[in-house]
Amino acid sequence: AQKITQTQPGMFVQEKEAVTLDCTYDTSDQSYGLFWYKQPSSGEMIFLIYQGSYDEQNATEGRYSLNFQKARKSANLVISASQLGDSAMYFCAMREGYSSASKIIFGSGTRLSIRP
Amino acid sequence: EAGVTQFPSHSVIEKGQTVTLRCDPISGHDNLYWYRRVMGKEIKFLLHFVKESKQDESGMPNNRFLAERTGGTYSTLKVQPAELEDSGVYFCASSPNARRRYGYTFGSGTRLTVV
Repeated sequence: AQKITQTQPGMFVQEKEAVTLDCTYDTSDQSYGLFWYKQPSSGEMIFLIYQGSYDEQNATEGRYSLNFQKARKSANLVISASQLGDSAMYFCAMREGYSSASKIIFGSGTRLSIRP
Repeated sequence: EAGVTQFPSHSVIEKGQTVTLRCDPISGHDNLYWYRRVMGKEIKFLLHFVKESKQDESGMPNNRFLAERTGGTYSTLKVQPAELEDSGVYFCASSPNARRRYGYTFGSGTRLTVV
């Protein structure tokens, strides 16, 4: 069965520093997609970045990059030059298969707090 | 384009009462999903509609939960009768077909508190 594990319930980081949020996953599928979502205090879920299991390069979206280590089944999110507005809950998620219709499962989340 | 809309944003009800949550997906999105997050825990899948049909309802906790999607447009999730453990944030999300790199678009959630 597929599973997402986020081992850091909370993190504090100084503004402008880089931060890595850990995520490991478990699946028996060869085709899958990995996602990161951000949930600020306002409550909405914001899609950040996607990595496909067959993608050869790590995904990047602005200050966000995904450190994809397929053999270790890890998909850590790296935020460079953190900003106060990055304070939020961050969820790692996975979808088995490549269809956008397949359900996504989520980890328990990491609460990131940026110190000024 | 308008996002996914959920109503109400908050609901406080007594144990044993009925509550109906509504979700309006992005127009044209065939896929609609319901998720729930109980305080401090992971976001759990409840069910998935493709248009008006239930594609996967494996996450529905019990028969007190009833989801419908009228004409493949908006969806409702009814909890009847509500229990204390039903408290949490209920998220709705939608996605189009075929675009594999597309994550869901989520609504802002309905925070349900059962007292």
